[in-house]
Formats: sequence, C-alpha cells, structure tokens
Amino acid sequence: QVQLQESGPGLVKPSQTLSLTCTVSGGSITSGGYYWSWIRQHPGNGLEWIGYISYSGGTYYNLSLKSRVIISVDTSKIQFSLKLSSVTAADTAVYYCARGEGIRGYWIFDLWGRGTLVTVSS
Amino acid sequence: QSALTQPASVSGSPGQSITISCTGTSSDIGGYNYVSWYQQHPGKAPKLMIYDVSNRPSGVSNRFSGSKSGNTASLTISGLQAEDEADYYCSSYTSSSTVVFGGGTKLTVL
Repeated sequence: QVQLQESGPGLVKPSQTLSLTCTVSGGSITSGGYYWSWIRQHPGNGLEWIGYISYSGGTYYNLSLKSRVIISVDTSKIQFSLKLSSVTAADTAVYYCARGEGIRGYWIFDLWGRGTLVTVSS
Repeated sequence: QSALTQPASVSGSPGQSITISCTGTSSDIGGYNYVSWYQQHPGKAPKLMIYDVSNRPSGVSNRFSGSKSGNTASLTISGLQAEDEADYYCSSYTSSSTVVFGGGTKLTVL
C-alpha cells in the first residue's frame, strides 16, 4: 500500500527558501504513470495547488507561484521535493504532497500525505 | 486564477440530505467535466469523494453524489450521518492546465 509522508523544517525565516520532501513508501515515483503534486492550506483557509512533477520528470506550476517554485525528484525515485524561494508570512501553511491520477487526470488527488505545518517567521 | 466559491457552512440533521454548491467560471467548472470533491476531518488529510463531476472512487459511500450545471457543481450527501461532519472542498481543472480549489464548506450535523 503506497503512502506519502512530508518532511522538512517547520520554521523558515522570511526571504529564505522553504524546502520540503515527500517520501513515497511502497511505490516508485517513476512507475505507474502518476503525477506528484504539492498542495498547501493556509491556516483556516482553503486549499491551493502549487504544482506537480510527473512520472517522466515534467513539471507544471501554479501561475501565481511559478517564479518561486521548483519541484524535483530525488535520484532515489522514492522522494520528490518542493523548494519555494523568497518566502514571506503569507507562505505560512500546512503543506501536503499528493498523488494525481495518471490516466484519469493529474487533477484528481487520490492519495495524500498527512501534511506538515511550515511557519515563516523571524 | 480565483478560487471557486463555496458556502462557508451548511448544516443538516441525521437522515436528511444536504447539498453543497461550488461556483466557478467557464474557464474551469463550466468548461470541463473535471470537478472533484474532497472531505477533510479536523487535523486529517483530505480524502477524495467524487471525481469527474459524479464518479465515486471505490470505497466511498453511495450516499455521496455529484452533479454540475453550467459553471456550478454540487455535492449532495443523503442520509446524513454524524461521521459526515467535516469540511468539504471542490476542485476543478482549468483552462490554464492548473487546478483550482474552492474555499471550503463546513458541514455540521445537528
């Protein structure tokens, strides 16, 4: 059974780069034709899609975050990462990694990690 | 891309039916049959309940159903149960090839 787990610093200083990793246990990022997304949830608010990396390494990002985001796959092929640069307090959120359906559409998130809270503060 | 519009809260008594609306534009909901719904209990990750407007993943109760008319999608929960109390989010594929979510609706079972 495939599971996702986010990890990374819970506190990041303003203007620095937020870095998170999602570990895919029980599976491989490059098999199955899936798309691997990052999604965040600001405190008390709704969800915001950040972007994805596909099983073949292609990426696509939310247009509003595109200039600050990089999603990549670790050479182990069981982890993918999020880097968000020049963070501000507005980037404080719970960050989720999620799996998008490969055949039916990457916009269908059928598996989620438990989420990790990242606070941006000095 | 603006977030989809959902009511902040809805409520219903056990056994009743409730409907949650999700309004977008012709660039998202109205343009594609790619609306999904997610259930989120406090402190938990979202769970996929409906995809492609009206399809249920395996294991999701048939008390949950989805529909769409124009730029508005709807999630209906029939035979309301206490365990249904949660936040519900809609999402849609967009003409920019991105994904947009709604602001979320808190369902209270009275």
